[in-house]
Amino acid sequence: GAVVSQHPSRVICKSGTSVKIECRSLDFQATTMFWYRQFPKQSLMLMATSNEGSKATYEQGVEKDKFLINHASLTLSTLTVTSAHPEDSSFYICSASRQGITDTQYFGPGTRLTVL
Amino acid sequence: SQQGEEDPQALSIQEGENATMNCSYKTSINNLQWYRQNSGRGLVHLILIRSNEREKHSGRLRVTLDTSKKSSSLLITASRAADTASYFCATDAGGSNYKLTFGKGTLLTVNP
Repeated sequence: GAVVSQHPSRVICKSGTSVKIECRSLDFQATTMFWYRQFPKQSLMLMATSNEGSKATYEQGVEKDKFLINHASLTLSTLTVTSAHPEDSSFYICSASRQGITDTQYFGPGTRLTVL
Repeated sequence: SQQGEEDPQALSIQEGENATMNCSYKTSINNLQWYRQNSGRGLVHLILIRSNEREKHSGRLRVTLDTSKKSSSLLITASRAADTASYFCATDAGGSNYKLTFGKGTLLTVNP
C-alpha cells in the first residue's frame, strides 16, 4: 500500500507555456501533500506543503504565482508551472502523507520538466 | 542552507562489500531518515531513527545516530548490484513548522 503516482513522467514544453503536473495517492487518502524540486545531482528542496481544501504553504523564495498548487481532493494535488522558462527545468517530486505534516511521506516517481 | 550533508559524495564498491555513508547536520533534530533514489525516480523510505535512539537495524541496513556530533551513518552490509542508487538523509525538527530537509546525497555504485 501507500502508492503515489505522478503524471506526466516527462514533459517538454516551450518557453512561456504553462505545465500542469498531477500527484495522486492511489490507495490511501492524503490529507497533506508536498512538492519538491530537485536539480541534477542535488538534494530535494521543499517548495510547498498543501492540505486538502486549504491554500498551500510555500517555502521562502518560492513564487506562489509561478507555481500554483491545488489540493482539491484527498487523493489529488496538482502543481502548475505558469509561463515556464528554461530555468524552471527540473525534476519535480511530490509526496503524500495520510495524517498531516509529520506523518510518513510516500513519494511519487517524479516528473522531469524540460523547458525549451 | 543545507541541513544534511552526506559524505562521501560518491562511493564505488564491489558486490559483497559493505558500504558506509555518513550524514552531518547543523541544528537540533527530532528525527533523521534515510532514503534511496534510483536514477530518475522517486524516493524510497529506508529507515527512520529518532533523536533519542542511537542505533537501528532493518535487514541489511544499520543506522547510527550521534546527536552530540550531529551525525548519522548508514551501513549497507553484503551489498548487491541492485543497491546501486543515491542515498539521502533527511532531518526534521518537529514542531508546527515541520518539514524534511534533505542532504545532497551519496551516489553508491555496486559493481557486480
